[in-house]
Amino acid sequence: GDSVTQMEGPVTLSEEAFLTINCTYTATGYPSLFWYVQYPGEGLQLLLKATKADDKGSNKGFEATYRKETTSFHLEKGSVQVSDSAVYFCALGNTGRRALTFGSGTRLQVQP
Amino acid sequence: DADVTQTPRNRITKTGKRIMLECSQTKGHDRMYWYRQDPGLGLRLIYYSFDVKDINKGEISDGYSVSRQAQAKFSLSLESAIPNQTALYFCATSDPGGDTQYFGPGTRLTVL
Repeated sequence: GDSVTQMEGPVTLSEEAFLTINCTYTATGYPSLFWYVQYPGEGLQLLLKATKADDKGSNKGFEATYRKETTSFHLEKGSVQVSDSAVYFCALGNTGRRALTFGSGTRLQVQP
Repeated sequence: DADVTQTPRNRITKTGKRIMLECSQTKGHDRMYWYRQDPGLGLRLIYYSFDVKDINKGEISDGYSVSRQAQAKFSLSLESAIPNQTALYFCATSDPGGDTQYFGPGTRLTVL
């Protein structure tokens, strides 16, 4: 079945550091890939998505590229801010499937 | 106003009690979902509904039931709560494509 594996946290960075959160997946067919973000005390919000191989999703300075050859969708940001502190979830969705499949989440802590 | 609302936001109950968590949405989506979130495990699907007459079990439905009262309302019940059902519960909706999901703020449930 479908599965998503992402790096364990917490990831602790200083402000303005470069961020990478790794995500790899296993799926049949051609899934869509997502990054969701959960700020403290809130529900999950869609951060970005990509629907086919080589697509790049981007939002708020975050980027991720759908790499079919390596089955990966790593999240990157060039310069993190304290306000980026949150839990980040990688997820995949397969057309016709019942729901998204989520990774276990990676907590990011950005220090001033 | 929020598109997806959940009530209550926090609930403490005792083992054996019946509990209902409610979800309402104003997005006009047919698809609704209930997930639970446990630390280190990401989100796991409890039940999902593709329309008012179509309700399906997810990967961890034992001990739970649902009711889809209308397109906009989807309730989750714990028939006889037990301590290992202590978790954060999220409701979500999606458009017909089903890939992008929109989450409520969550209900934190504690079973003593």
